[in-house]
Amino acid sequence: EPEVTQTPSHQVTQMGQEVILRCVPISNHLYFYWYRQILGQKVEFLVSFYNNEISEKSEIFDDQFSVERPDGSNFTLKIRSTKLEDSAMYFCASSGGQGFYEQYFGPGTRLTVT
Amino acid sequence: GNSVTQMEGPVTLSEEAFLTINCTYTATGYPSLFWYVQYPGEGLQLLLKATKADDKGSNKGFEATYRKETTSFHLEKGSVQVSDSAVYFCALFDTGFQKLVFGTGTRLLVSP
Repeated sequence: EPEVTQTPSHQVTQMGQEVILRCVPISNHLYFYWYRQILGQKVEFLVSFYNNEISEKSEIFDDQFSVERPDGSNFTLKIRSTKLEDSAMYFCASSGGQGFYEQYFGPGTRLTVT
Repeated sequence: GNSVTQMEGPVTLSEEAFLTINCTYTATGYPSLFWYVQYPGEGLQLLLKATKADDKGSNKGFEATYRKETTSFHLEKGSVQVSDSAVYFCALFDTGFQKLVFGTGTRLLVSP
């Protein structure tokens, strides 16, 4: 069964450093998303991406964040200068085709900013 | 804006007990509704969905019915197993902002 994959599973970085989180969405999906979950809190939407551009973004997704689909398979989230409060689990999701509203999530990347 | 409210957890049950996890939503229109499950140390898995009023989603013995009149989508299972221990998230798809809106999650603990 096709699945969304994410790398790395855990990333530790120092405050102020740049990080890139990687995702490989399901191959025939057209819509891509990033969400995050701060420990013990609800899952929050960050950004949606379609047709090589951002469709929607939340107020969390400020200038420090960017997304890219550099090739036909990867979807990345970059945080330019990490802050302590960026520590969270970051989930990539994809959807498409007939199940447009059904988003399939990857296993997540746990980002720890020290 | 659109929102989802779930019952507080944890919900603690013995194996084979009946499960209900309450979920209500606030939305304009009739959004698609979902339950996701997060097992310990894992990501979010789509458990079931309903796309219109009176639809019943079901999977792995879990069921939820889209109730427009009460704006609810309660999750039920007739007989829980230890392996059902996880966090359950109710969510709606916000078509205006093209995103899922999640509830806070309800932790279920099932003991043998």
